[in-house]
Parts: sequence; structure tokens; C-alpha cells
Amino acid sequence: DTAVSQTPKYLVTQMGNDKSIKCEQNLGHDTMYWYKQDSKKFLKIMFSYNNKELIINETVPNRFSPKSPDKAHLNLHINSLELGDSAVYFCASSSSGDTQYFGPGTRLTVL
Amino acid sequence: AQSVTQPDIHITVSEGASLELRCNYSYGATPYLFWYVQSPGQGLQLLLKYFSGDTLVQGIKGFEAEFKRSQSSFNLRKPSVHWSDAAEYFCAAGSPGYSTLTFGKGTMLLVSP
Repeated sequence: DTAVSQTPKYLVTQMGNDKSIKCEQNLGHDTMYWYKQDSKKFLKIMFSYNNKELIINETVPNRFSPKSPDKAHLNLHINSLELGDSAVYFCASSSSGDTQYFGPGTRLTVL
Repeated sequence: AQSVTQPDIHITVSEGASLELRCNYSYGATPYLFWYVQSPGQGLQLLLKYFSGDTLVQGIKGFEAEFKRSQSSFNLRKPSVHWSDAAEYFCAAGSPGYSTLTFGKGTMLLVSP
């Protein structure tokens, strides 16, 4: 009965590779988000989707491409991974204007 | 620019003692305010939130927070800390009708025996 789930939990890969992180929510929310938590634990919004449409795109390199196949899913694809992409990526969801609920995070390590 | 400040990077509290974690915000209007907790290797769990109304809000695990408009603060409190409360605590703010949250940099709570 997990509310917001992410896969994988851990991802270790080489520089230059392409990888995807998947997120699913079963809360019936219409808005989903991706946040990045850096090595100093600072959390920053990357993207926000409402009803499958991109509404927020912060200054994120275009190597990062979110995709929302339906309201319950928001995936994050990363091309040409760099060392600086190493971080914990959190997915979250909410009903518009209401509380955001977070997934367990995906720890990405780029070697 | 919108910002959330948590002035304490680390706080150590003895088990059974009271706790107060500070949070200040800078927003154009009164934002929605939240406290989340992150245990090691875990995601963020919502402790409590303030949208409007009573300025003292109760949350889970015995936590409460008080919104003070005059001080632009939303401090988190707990009367008696348990060892299991050791974690990272994040204050966050969002505009009404918000799409994203602005987070503080977090306060690491350490609980000593």
C-alpha cells in the first residue's frame, strides 16, 4: 500500500551512461514532482507535472528529461551522466495546492 | 527571492529533554509552511503543516509548531525527545496554490543518552 514509490532505490553507473528512474503514486494526486538532494542534504525542485503536463522546469540541464505517461507516473531519464549528477532524487506528489508526499528516494552514484 | 532559513545545522539534545528547531521564512505573502523529517537513508515524512487558522499546529510523533507572523517564524517543538527522534529535519514553504516547495538546509538532531 505504498503511497509514492520509486525504483530503483540505488543506482550505480559510469559517466556517460543513460539511466532512468521511475516513480509511481497511488494517492490519486494530479501533480508530481522531482527534487534533487545534494551531498549537503539540500533539496531543490527540478520539475513539476500537473495532469501529465510540465508546469515547472527549473534550471536543470537538458540531459534531464521527465516523462509522465499518466497522472500516476513520472519518470526521470538522464542522458550522458556526469559526476555532478550523483545525488539522491526524490519523487513527490500532491493534489494541486496541497501537501506533497515524498517517495523513499533513489541514490544515484556516477563513477 | 523566496527563502527558508534553518539557522542550526546540528542540535544535540539529551533524551527526555525538550526540543525547539528554528525556521524563518522570507516570502512575499504568508506561505504554507511544513516540517518534514528524514531518517538516515529514508525519504521525507511529513510531521505537520500550517495553511491558516490556529497558529499552533499539532503533528505526528508528539511534535508541534507555532507560526509567528511578526517574526516570520515557524519553529518546531517537542516537550520530551526520544532517541528515535534523531534525524534530519527540514522546514519548507510554498505559496498558496503552490507548485513547488522551498526547503531550508535542514537541521540534524542528535539525541544523547
